[in-house]
Amino acid sequence: DAGITQSPRHKVTETGTPVTLRCHQTENHRYMYWYRQDPGHGLRLIHYSYGVKDTDKGEVSDGYSVSRSKTEDFLLTLESATSSQTSVYFCAISEGHRREKLFFGSGTQLSVL
Amino acid sequence: KQEVTQIPAALSVPEGENLVLNCSFTDSAIYNLQWFRQDPGKGLTSLLLIQSSQREQTSGRLNASLDKSSGRSTLYIAASQPGDSATYLCAVRGLVGNQFYFGTGTSLTVIP
Repeated sequence: DAGITQSPRHKVTETGTPVTLRCHQTENHRYMYWYRQDPGHGLRLIHYSYGVKDTDKGEVSDGYSVSRSKTEDFLLTLESATSSQTSVYFCAISEGHRREKLFFGSGTQLSVL
Repeated sequence: KQEVTQIPAALSVPEGENLVLNCSFTDSAIYNLQWFRQDPGKGLTSLLLIQSSQREQTSGRLNASLDKSSGRSTLYIAASQPGDSATYLCAVRGLVGNQFYFGTGTSLTVIP
């Protein structure tokens, strides 16, 4: 299995509070991604990174920010959590060349009350 | 925008049966297509990756095919087992940008 660790695994928070999710990889892969998974929508890309301090938006980036200060860590921040951000969040990595596989972490279940 | 569809959303079969899962996509301009398995409460595990220039890939009892021109892929599972019960998702990687587009998955139940 690819060395991807997501933390926390579960979190319950209140509307309006900031939340940070962490993804840590031991594979030294260049690309890292944050997805959310919701019933009926499948997986949707929030943000991705193609290197240290290099990030770009995905299709559902509103309300989220990311940072990557080290190759191995990719942080997802909800500046002010809303109930619509209740979801399962997955981190994924790939080596970067477009023909490589995508590997996933185990996910973070986030509930915003 | 690329749209990926998986039909049926759920499938139940008796143990030992051979089965086919379907994935269709609207834009044939893809780098590759990947099939994943997801168990309840877990992340996605990559099963097979087919490059756009390939027709099929095999791993054990699994065989995935790709017909890029018609926008279709199938995942064939031979001699199904209860341990195959899971949700199977397909994802295509577009030529433009760095985006993977996912289907919503087929939930498979193999009955002993």
